[in-house]
Amino acid sequence: QKEVEQDPGPLSVPEGAIVSLNCTYSNSAFQYFMWYRQYSRKGPELLMYTYSSGNKEDGRFTAQVDKSSKYISLFIRDSQPSDSATYLCAPTTGGGADGLTFGKGTHLIIQP
Amino acid sequence: GAGVSQSPSNKVTEKGKDVELRCDPISGHTALYWYRQRLGQGLEFLIYFQGNSAPDKSGLPSDRFSAERTGESVSTLTIQRTQQEDSAVYLCASSLIGGPYEQYFGPGTRLTVT
Repeated sequence: QKEVEQDPGPLSVPEGAIVSLNCTYSNSAFQYFMWYRQYSRKGPELLMYTYSSGNKEDGRFTAQVDKSSKYISLFIRDSQPSDSATYLCAPTTGGGADGLTFGKGTHLIIQP
Repeated sequence: GAGVSQSPSNKVTEKGKDVELRCDPISGHTALYWYRQRLGQGLEFLIYFQGNSAPDKSGLPSDRFSAERTGESVSTLTIQRTQQEDSAVYLCASSLIGGPYEQYFGPGTRLTVT
């Protein structure tokens, strides 16, 4: 089993829909859970991160972590065409030397 | 302010040649990371610098890969005797301090080995 599993999609939804993006992971030492957005031919940009289990909200984005089931989610409300991108989950132990372990990313398409 | 910059943006090289990729982190960022993104794959962590020190080089794919950093500024990733499997986008990121804190990524160098 890979350390981080993520459905590559593409996931296509109409504008205004609620989007749910998910990852599973296997390393129980992961403590921080990052979500990055990557537009085509650009570097990833950090959307938000959470520490340990629980929810965190930032505008239209909500990140959710369930450490007991090793399941990570990102919800996007009122989705916009500009949200079309690849979304990467990246859990980490928290030590800088460990870097980030990225999933393959989910390609999201918001249809106008 | 200026973000992370990388050069060249694209590099096409022949198999067996050496290449050098450059990363200019955000000024003041002490931590610097290199990642590789192969087509259809997730980002693969290669190496981390805290200042000019890289405590663990085990993430580098082979001994053909090496990386250096000058103080808390420019870093270079060198690939010797390139192979076709080295074709990928090489991304650099920097952060204020090491840890899970916000890593700012550059646009990447797209390397194609023919």
